[in-house]
Amino acid sequence: DQQVKQNSPSLSVQEGRISILNCDYTNSMFDYFLWYKKYPAEGPTFLISISSIKDKNEDGRFTVFLNKSAKHLSLHIVPSQPGDSAVYFCAASAHHSGNQFYFGTGTSLTVIP
Amino acid sequence: GAVVSQHPSWVICKSGTSVKIECRSLDFQATTMFWYRQFPKQSLMLMATSNEGSKATYEQGVEKDKFLINHASLTLSTLTVTSAHPEDSSFYICSARGWESSYEQYFGPGTRLTVT
Repeated sequence: DQQVKQNSPSLSVQEGRISILNCDYTNSMFDYFLWYKKYPAEGPTFLISISSIKDKNEDGRFTVFLNKSAKHLSLHIVPSQPGDSAVYFCAASAHHSGNQFYFGTGTSLTVIP
Repeated sequence: GAVVSQHPSWVICKSGTSVKIECRSLDFQATTMFWYRQFPKQSLMLMATSNEGSKATYEQGVEKDKFLINHASLTLSTLTVTSAHPEDSSFYICSARGWESSYEQYFGPGTRLTVT
């Protein structure tokens, strides 16, 4: 049972435009969320996080929005750059479950120069 | 920043043999290490969680006798795939978490296992 879902397997965006990656979750106990960026044959690298007490967290070009009532989070990248082309995973964790992370299936972002 | 290494990065082995993958935290003490497996175009699936000095906790459906995990020190965890079969071919990634953060995990670069 996939508790974290990324329904868009791929996304193409023009350089300079906004990239919006979406993630939905089913477990209402999740209280911490992260976005990871992954290049082929490499491990994921941490991008940005948000806890359930916030609805927005911003770090440079990256902003994560959390809508707890909808069990939805999104990652906005503005402006998008060709170097942002990678697979993006969202992950969720619940403090009571030992902070194990559950990952979505990823969205492959291609930023077109 | 926190660095996690894995060795080897790529291994090919024959069916029936065993393979050991190492995961090291290079500049911090990892109280907890996680092992993930990723199939092509699929999500990272948590296989097991290990705390230093104690037995690993395996996720449902993961055979603990087949995937042996040892977390003998605060900087090293090993995953041994025993009696490997072609269906064990996958990308294995470890992550580590230190004392300071209860959430942050630092990932290794992954190990590509191919069983022939």
